[in-house]
Amino acid sequence: EVQLVESGGGLVQPGGSLRLSCTVSGFIFSNYWMNWVRQAPGKGLEWVAIIQQHGSSQQYLDSVRGRFTVSRDNARNLLYLQMNSLRAEDTAVYYCVRGESGAFEMWGQGTEVTVSS
Amino acid sequence: QSALTQPPSASGSPGQSVTISCTGSSSDVGAYNYVSWYQQYPGKAPKLMIYEVNKRPSGVPDRFSGSKSGNTASLTVSGLRAEDEAVYYCASHAGSNKWVFGGGTKLTVL
Repeated sequence: EVQLVESGGGLVQPGGSLRLSCTVSGFIFSNYWMNWVRQAPGKGLEWVAIIQQHGSSQQYLDSVRGRFTVSRDNARNLLYLQMNSLRAEDTAVYYCVRGESGAFEMWGQGTEVTVSS
Repeated sequence: QSALTQPPSASGSPGQSVTISCTGSSSDVGAYNYVSWYQQYPGKAPKLMIYEVNKRPSGVPDRFSGSKSGNTASLTVSGLRAEDEAVYYCASHAGSNKWVFGGGTKLTVL
C-alpha cells in the first residue's frame, strides 16, 4: 500500500524555522518526482516546491524561493522541506505529494504549520 | 504564477450533469496537456480525478471526464450523485517545472 506520512509541523514565531519530513512507503521512492503543496485555512491549494527523482533539480513557488529548500534521502525514503524566515502567510496544511504523468497523483494527510507570535 | 480561474460554486440535481471550468493562459493551460483535476472533501486530502486533460486514474468512475479548449479546461460530472458534493480544483503545468492550481469550485448536489 502506498503511504505518505508528513511530520514536523507545529507553531512557530514569525522569522523562525521549521523542517517538515515525509516518510514514504509502498513504492520505489527514487523513481518519482516529489512535491510539497499547501493549503491555508479555508483557502485553496497552492503548489510550493518540486524535486527531481535524484534530487539534482528543484523548483519553487516564487514567494518561497530563497526561504524554503526541498530535499530528499532516497536511501531512507524521506522527503524534506526546510522552511526559514517564516511568515504569517506561510500558515497552512502542508501536503507531501507524489508526482506522476504531470499530475499530483498521491497525497499524504498533511501536517499543519502555524506561524504566529 | 497566477492562479487559474474557477467559478466559486456549481450545482446540479442528482442524475444531472455539471461542468466546471478552469481558465488559464497561453503560458499554462493553453501551452501544456498537463491539466489535472482534484476532489477534496472537508478535512481530507485531495484526490486525483483527471490527469493529462482527459485521463482517469484507475478507480475513478467514468462519470468524471475532462476536456480542454484553448486556455480553458473543463471537468464534467455526469449522473450526479450525493457523494460528488465536494470542492474541485484544477491544476496545470506553468512552464519551467512550475505548477499552478485553480481557486477551487464547491460543487453542491441539490
